[in-house]
Amino acid sequence: EPEVTQTPSHQVTQMGQEVILRCVPISNHLYFYWYRQILGQKVEFLVSFYNNEISEKSEIFDDQFSVERPDGSNFTLKIRSTKLEDSAMYFCASSEATAEAQYFGPGTRLTVL
Amino acid sequence: QKEVEQNSGPLSVPEGAIASLNCTYSDRGSQSFFWYRQYSGKSPELIMSIYSNGDKEDGRFTAQLNKASQYVSLLIRDSQPSDSATYLCAVRYSSASKIIFGSGTRLSIRP
Repeated sequence: EPEVTQTPSHQVTQMGQEVILRCVPISNHLYFYWYRQILGQKVEFLVSFYNNEISEKSEIFDDQFSVERPDGSNFTLKIRSTKLEDSAMYFCASSEATAEAQYFGPGTRLTVL
Repeated sequence: QKEVEQNSGPLSVPEGAIASLNCTYSDRGSQSFFWYRQYSGKSPELIMSIYSNGDKEDGRFTAQLNKASQYVSLLIRDSQPSDSATYLCAVRYSSASKIIFGSGTRLSIRP
């Protein structure tokens, strides 16, 4: 069964450093998303992406964040200058259409020291 | 502020019994409703999606939607220890691509 994959599974970085989280969505899906989950808290929406542009973003997704689809298979989330409060699980998800169910990858645990 | 509310639990159910999980949402414009299961330290795994009023069954799982009451529920029949997890209710509002998650209900199936 097709699945969303994410790399790395765990990323440790120093405050102020840039990180890039990578995702390969399900191949026939057209909509891509990033969510995050701080330990013990809700899953929170960050951004959605369709047709090579951002279709929706939350207030969390400020100028420190960016997304890109650099080729036909990868979808990346970049955090330019990490803060301690960026420590969380970051989940990539994809869906066939905007109304359809979103399928989540296994996540990247980001730890900012 | 659009909200999705769930009882945090824990909900303890004996093995073989029916587990009933509930969720309410704040916006009548909601269009799509999802139940995800999340094991500790893992990602949300889709169990059911439901889009119209009534019941939808898939194996041991039944999702129920009542848009007039802004209420969605998940029934798990013949509960198994492997069903022990946090169950997340998620809602997509009209004209939005994002889904909004509740805080989840922790379910424990006791042997």
